[in-house]
Amino acid sequence: QQPVQSPQAVILREGEDAVINCSSSKALYSVHWYRQKHGEAPVFLMILLKGGEQKGHEKISASFNEKKQQSSLYLTASQLSYSGTYFCIHRLRGKLIFGQGTTLQVKP
Amino acid sequence: NAGVTQTPKFQVLKTGQSMTLQCAQDMNHEYMSWYRQDPGMGLRLIHYSVGAGITDQGEVPNGYNVSRSTTEDFPLRLLSAAPSQTSVYFCASSETGTGEEKLFFGSGTQLSVL
Repeated sequence: QQPVQSPQAVILREGEDAVINCSSSKALYSVHWYRQKHGEAPVFLMILLKGGEQKGHEKISASFNEKKQQSSLYLTASQLSYSGTYFCIHRLRGKLIFGQGTTLQVKP
Repeated sequence: NAGVTQTPKFQVLKTGQSMTLQCAQDMNHEYMSWYRQDPGMGLRLIHYSVGAGITDQGEVPNGYNVSRSTTEDFPLRLLSAAPSQTSVYFCASSETGTGEEKLFFGSGTQLSVL
């Protein structure tokens, strides 16, 4: 089953914050986060491996709640370069499955 | 240091034609996979491999064949192309496929089936 992401789309002004959620109906052992810009391949942001583990990448961080089977991506003080589609991935029965994506648009 | 190389970048086929999308990696990765991406959608797993000689189906395997005769190469074959296979295809690899390492992506192949 595909991870479920919410919201589907977000529009922000530069400097605003956003949270993207990723949940699973199955037990999670790891969660990946990637960003994709139009016409390009997805770019790796971070992996979370243990419950409660938080990782950071510039002003982007993430948390992973194993018990709730969900992960959240936090974008603080957003920049124009943060625009794109964000995907979470989880591993299910040996397969790395993408969520449907959250489109983020940052406006000046 | 090439990473994951996909060819061709663009391809137009007629319905019923066959073709092979090539994917090669030079990082000695055990795990390789193929995804397709349709407009407004996430990437869906077609087939994957955890090592030479081992392949398995993903979420949307119908109409596609794969083989893994070497660690480096993982070609995707369309035996009889259909318009529903118009999509952008990405090849991706990781060291083991356990989900504990990042995926490295090729630059993608845009395929149109008329």
